[in-house]
Amino acid sequence: KAGVTQTPRYLIKTRGQQVTLSCSPISGHRSVSWYQQTPGQGLQFLFEYFSETQRNKGNFPGRFSGRQFSNSRSEMNVSTLELGDSALYLCASSLRFGNEQFFGPGTRLTVL
Amino acid sequence: GDSVTQMEGPVTLSEEAFLTINCTYTATGYPSLFWYVQYPGEGLQLLLKATKADDKGSNKGFEATYRKETTSFHLEKGSVQVSDSAVYFCALYPPLGNEKLTFGTGTRLTIIP
Repeated sequence: KAGVTQTPRYLIKTRGQQVTLSCSPISGHRSVSWYQQTPGQGLQFLFEYFSETQRNKGNFPGRFSGRQFSNSRSEMNVSTLELGDSALYLCASSLRFGNEQFFGPGTRLTVL
Repeated sequence: GDSVTQMEGPVTLSEEAFLTINCTYTATGYPSLFWYVQYPGEGLQLLLKATKADDKGSNKGFEATYRKETTSFHLEKGSVQVSDSAVYFCALYPPLGNEKLTFGTGTRLTIIP
């Protein structure tokens, strides 16, 4: 069974631009969560989707948004990028909320 | 709210040494507990889990026991290898399953040959 895939793996953007990251969960998994990982703040929860509905949201500004499609694939969008948005963005899927999560390799975003 | 406290790193050990990484938690009821491992340049991998008190999770020579009385889930391995060098995260999922997975800060482990 294929694991969680994330595209692109690496991304370089400049301040003020926007970016869209994609996540394809493990087949059959309906819950997708997003995390931001930085050396200073560690792993921070962004949001969780289940059956196309956002169930939970972390403490991030409105520039960070996401969505989930009917096939459970998910995207997250960051608008008006700031230098501090440089991070590894991790996506995780699970059968449903409350189950163990399986992580993708992440997208490394660098904002210049 | 729910929280996880992990042993501060970094931890450096010689090959074949005994490993313990401490993890304690604060949560209502009986959360599910997890250890994840992150190798350089990769995402997190689930290492082991326990879903109820006194459960022992084990995988790849690593073990952790869910201790409700001490609210702990310490990770242990009897003989570490250089390939175990990674960052280890303890995490919990609240019992109702309607909240988020909460992670500790991570412990960087380096094994010296």
